[in-house]
Amino acid sequence: DIQMTQSPSSLSASVGDRVTITCRASQIISSYLNWYQQKPGKAPKLLIYATSSLQSGVPSRFSGSGSGTDFTLTISSLQPEDFATYYCQQSYSTPYTFGQGTKLEIK
Amino acid sequence: QLQLQESGPGLVKPSETLSLSCTVSGGSISSSSYYWGWIRQPPGKGLEWIGNIYYSGSTYYNPSLQSRVTISVDTSKNQFSLKLSSVTATDTAVYYCARHVRFFGSGSYPVFDYWGQGTLVTVSS
Repeated sequence: DIQMTQSPSSLSASVGDRVTITCRASQIISSYLNWYQQKPGKAPKLLIYATSSLQSGVPSRFSGSGSGTDFTLTISSLQPEDFATYYCQQSYSTPYTFGQGTKLEIK
Repeated sequence: QLQLQESGPGLVKPSETLSLSCTVSGGSISSSSYYWGWIRQPPGKGLEWIGNIYYSGSTYYNPSLQSRVTISVDTSKNQFSLKLSSVTATDTAVYYCARHVRFFGSGSYPVFDYWGQGTLVTVSS
């Protein structure tokens, strides 16, 4: 199985901050990397697919980059509704696997 | 707007079989463009993919659960279902159903784009 490792596991930030979350795959996954946002008690929501493509309706302050094994999710200017847990997921091969999550909290 | 809704018992005894259904509304489960999947999340933990099914009945499962999992589809009801046998407390989780689709760009990229709200299943005697 491909292991996905996110860092940091948690992060405190303020509204308006620029935030970056990192995801590393245990082997090369090309651009097959997706990002999801999950709020408490809710299902995950697809934010970014294929490393850098924004899902329809997702604000442009979200962006993704990377290739191979190292990927990042950046939020350019944090908004109050962005405080949530973020998961990366590889779709290069089955079993599809997720990172352990990064909890973004208000400072 | 596509909607998915999980249903089934919220409490299952150890060694028994967990059974859940996912009803799809606002779209057809028989579309050739989609697979349908199950993902679970133990309380306070991360996400684990369980398996996917195509409307024809073709399935693929997570090898870590394959010996205990069966996913089936009922196109007449626009539903697909999950059975997980011989459950233990470690199977306690929120179970989500989701649509699995390939988005096309420079390649073909599988994603889970629509999710149900999730249902908590507790394994306890």
